[in-house]
Order: sequence, then C-alpha cells, then structure tokens
Amino acid sequence: DAGVTQSPTHLIKTRGQQVTLRCSPISGHKSVSWYQQVLGQGPQFIFQYYEKEERGRGNFPDRFSARQFPNYSSELNVNALLLGDSALYLCASSAGTSNYGYTFGSGTRLTVV
Amino acid sequence: ILNVEQSPQSLHVQEGDSTNFTCSFPSSNFYALHWYRWETAKSPEALFVMTLNGDEKKKGRISATLNTKEGYSYLYIKGSQPEDSATYLCAIHVNRGSTLGRLYFGRGTQLTVWP
Repeated sequence: DAGVTQSPTHLIKTRGQQVTLRCSPISGHKSVSWYQQVLGQGPQFIFQYYEKEERGRGNFPDRFSARQFPNYSSELNVNALLLGDSALYLCASSAGTSNYGYTFGSGTRLTVV
Repeated sequence: ILNVEQSPQSLHVQEGDSTNFTCSFPSSNFYALHWYRWETAKSPEALFVMTLNGDEKKKGRISATLNTKEGYSYLYIKGSQPEDSATYLCAIHVNRGSTLGRLYFGRGTQLTVWP
C-alpha cells in the first residue's frame, strides 16, 4: 500500500509568485492535514480537511489556501510568496479528523528567492 | 499558542549507550501524545501514540512513558545504534473543540549515535 505522496519534492520560486503543492493520502484515509516546518522549528499546523471540508485552520495569512478533492487528495496554494514562506511543507493523512493515526509524507521543500 | 518543549535539543552518544529525552506540554485539555522518528529526507515515522496517564509503550529497544498530570513524556532508547540517529519529534492533541484535529509539535531532539 502506497504511503502519503507529495509533489513536487523540491521547488524554487521567486517572491510574489504563486505555488501549488499536492498531496495524495493513504487509500481509505479521508482527512488531510498540512504543516509547515521552518528551519529550527517544529512543524506548524496550517489546515485540516475532511470529506472536502475545511475542519481547522492554523495561524496563517489568507495567502494560504487549500482544498480537497473527491478522491481525498489535496492541494495547498500559497499566493504572493514571501522569503519567509521558504520551508518544508508536510502533508499528513488520517482516517478521521481526530483519531490517533497520522501518516506523513516526506514533504515538499519550497525555497523562495 | 500551545508550547510543547523538548529537551535536549541535540544529543551525541556512543553506540551501545542508552539515552533518554523529554517532552513537556501543558496538562490541561490533554487528549493524546505522539512520538515520531524522523530521518533526514524521509517522512516522519510514527513510534507511539499515548493517551492515558501512566501509559508505557515499547517497540524493540525504544520505550516511552506518559505523565498527563504533570505534563511530560520520556522516550528511552536502550543500547543506541547508529541507525537510531534521527530527529525525535513529540506532538500533542488537545481536546479544545475545533482544534482537536491538529497536532502541536515540539522542535525535536536530534540524536546522533557514533559507531
């Protein structure tokens, strides 16, 4: 069974540009969460989606948005990129919104120059 | 903002040494605690999920304990091996309505085991 897959693995963007990151959850998992990890910090919660609805949003500006598709895959969009958006973006999938098992992908490394 | 603290930040040990590190968290509204092992360029690997005060979990040479009343968890590695080198992340769920689905992470403890 394939794990959580994220694409692309690495990305370089210029300030002001827009970026879309993608995540495919484990088969059967209906919830996808997004986390941002900047160097030296623990991962910070951005969004959680369940059954295509937003179930939680972290303390991130409106430049960050996400959506979940009928097949439960998800996209994270960031507009008007800033240098400070450079980070590793992790996706995690789970069967529900608050059950215990979260499986992470290996992340997308975004560099904004 | 919810503070999850991990200590030490980094640890260097010799192969065969046993080691332990700590995760501290606010005890109010505690729901569950997760330990993850994260090797560079890989995805975080779930080690344990712990929910009850006094819980003890074991997986091979790695074990963990949980004290929800005082807000801490210990992770122990017995007889460390070079392949144990990784960052160990602690994360908690809190039972606060709409925030239940999110994990609050510590910064991790980076373990290096020298042969």
